[in-house]
Amino acid sequence: QSALTQPASVSGSPGQSITISCTGTTGDVGSYNYVSWYQHHPGKAPKLIIYDVNNRPSGISSRFSGSKSGNTASLTISGLQAEDEADYFCSSFTSAATIDWIFGGGTKLTVL
Amino acid sequence: QVQLQESGPGLVKPSETLSLTCSVSGGSLKNVYWIWIRQAPGKELEYIGYVHHTGRPNYNPSLRSRVTMSLDTSKNQVSLRLTSVTAADTAVYYCTRKGSPLSYWLDPWGQGTQVTVSS
Repeated sequence: QSALTQPASVSGSPGQSITISCTGTTGDVGSYNYVSWYQHHPGKAPKLIIYDVNNRPSGISSRFSGSKSGNTASLTISGLQAEDEADYFCSSFTSAATIDWIFGGGTKLTVL
Repeated sequence: QVQLQESGPGLVKPSETLSLTCSVSGGSLKNVYWIWIRQAPGKELEYIGYVHHTGRPNYNPSLRSRVTMSLDTSKNQVSLRLTSVTAADTAVYYCTRKGSPLSYWLDPWGQGTQVTVSS
């Protein structure tokens, strides 16, 4: 089972918007609205920021938003702030091989 | 709120058994799917398996022959046991839980514990 595909890195200046893509297949992202996104500062616990494609948990800034088109999900962060610099990874339910969860390789966001 | 903290030996010799514990505070182990995930250096996150107090554990087929997960409700801990480890098992190991019975988001996560397999 291949991982979901994310760009290795993205960057943006404070105040700008960036988008991170997460590409899967019809066996995961394309067929289920169970895509979630996590923010991970190294050495800390990963933090859920988007669930079920486009829902934000309580306490997560509205600057974070999610969407999906076909086999690709996207995370958009608007109004970039220095504290947004982190790794971001996506996850999806997968119908393959009873493993249920499949993950992206992660994207390093650099705030310039 | 629920908090998770993984703990383990840090260094394990090849062919030995890795044992990790996830201590859960602020919530019960019951009625929740508890999941172990790992990330090897330079690789994507890998699902190891889940355990639930009412059902049979589910393991990644690639690890099924070597992995065991269990719950200790008296200590509020989730355990992971991986036998016959090799260098390929070197990774950061995370404990998390299925956030909703109706979906597949994971929340919260522990901060992870580094495991190195080396003689």
